[in-house]
Amino acid sequence: GAVVSQHPSRVICKSGTSVKIECRSLDFQATTMFWYRQFPKQSLMLMATSNEGSKATYEQGVEKDKFLINHASLTLSTLTVTSAHPEDSSFYICSARDFGRTLYFGEGSWLTVV
Amino acid sequence: QQQVKQSPQSLIVQKGGISIINCAYENTAFDYFPWYQQFPGKGPALLIAIRPDVSEKKEGRFTISFNKSAKQFSLHIMDSQPGDSATYFCAASASNYQLIWGAGTKLIIKP
Repeated sequence: GAVVSQHPSRVICKSGTSVKIECRSLDFQATTMFWYRQFPKQSLMLMATSNEGSKATYEQGVEKDKFLINHASLTLSTLTVTSAHPEDSSFYICSARDFGRTLYFGEGSWLTVV
Repeated sequence: QQQVKQSPQSLIVQKGGISIINCAYENTAFDYFPWYQQFPGKGPALLIAIRPDVSEKKEGRFTISFNKSAKQFSLHIMDSQPGDSATYFCAASASNYQLIWGAGTKLIIKP
């Protein structure tokens, strides 16, 4: 099946710094990529949808200036958490859609802000 | 109307038994219904998906049953194994491809 690589899998950063998470579709071109946040024992919460070459569409309540999403190519999207704070600590997951209906997910990135 | 309601929240099944997870939806525009399996600390992985033009789809030990009139669909795991212990999410999407997720079911298979 299609592979989505997410990096890093775990990152610890200091409060006030920024951290970037990469999401790559390895063997297909992703027309759309999605970024999710997941709290322990909860479902996935969609943060934003991005299409290659255009601005991301953010869900209500998600600060677009804090969670910067760039979808520069059909195989790469990045999520940058700016001025991170402890409350931003979470499990972030990207997914990518090819030209069909299937969403392929990355392995997720654990962010801890200390 | 955008919700997908999933039950039960947790489920314990003996090894070899049948695990059944149910989902219900309201939005008749939904036309794609996938199930995802998620292990702790990992991203979800697509298990099986169905379109509303069929009532059942089987892949190995996993079967989706779909009832369009009742707006319900369910996942059946036959001969459940300890390795099936995970959290299962149902989801639905319409033509905008955005997945609406169920709340998840934590499945534990007891040896």
